[in-house]
Amino acid sequence: DTAVSQTPKYLVTQMGNDKSIKCEQNLGHDTMYWYKQDSKKFLKIMFSYNNKELIINETVPNRFSPKSPDKAHLNLHINSLELGDSAVYFCASSQGGGRYNSPLHFGNGTRLTVT
Amino acid sequence: AQSVAQPEDQVNVAEGNPLTVKCTYSVSGNPYLFWYVQYPNRGLQFLLKYITGDNLVKGSYGFEAEFNKSQTSFHLKKPSALVSDSALYFCAVLPNLSSNTGKLIFGQGTTLQVKP
Repeated sequence: DTAVSQTPKYLVTQMGNDKSIKCEQNLGHDTMYWYKQDSKKFLKIMFSYNNKELIINETVPNRFSPKSPDKAHLNLHINSLELGDSAVYFCASSQGGGRYNSPLHFGNGTRLTVT
Repeated sequence: AQSVAQPEDQVNVAEGNPLTVKCTYSVSGNPYLFWYVQYPNRGLQFLLKYITGDNLVKGSYGFEAEFNKSQTSFHLKKPSALVSDSALYFCAVLPNLSSNTGKLIFGQGTTLQVKP
């Protein structure tokens, strides 16, 4: 009955490869996010979608492309992976729709290691 | 620039003693304020939030936080620490102007170590 689930949990890949991380939430929320946590544990928002519409698109290389097929799913595709992409990527969801002060619910993260 | 500061990288406290994890912010207007906790290899979990009203907010696991507008602070407190409280704590701010996007600004995190 996991609320926000993301797969895979671990992802080890070589530079130049393309990979995807999937995220699903069963909370009925209409807003989903991708956050990146670096090796110093600093958290930075990358993207957010509300009802499949892109709301936040931070200064992220265009090698990163989010895709939201429906409001319960937000996937992250990364092209031409670089060493600096190594981090933990967290998916999160919240009740948006004008109530963005509602708490975020996070998945358990995907640890991406680029070699 | 809007920012959140957690001035202590680590806070050490003995079990049973009170704990405080500090947070100050610099944003325009009246922000919404949050505390989250992260246990090892897990995502962040919501603890509590301040939106409006009483400056003392109570949250999960016996934690509370006090909003101080004049000092632009939102310190996290607990009267009696448990070893199981040991984790990484994040303060976050949602500037009022960003309230229609949900763009949270996170502090850098404070590791709380509670020793038996």
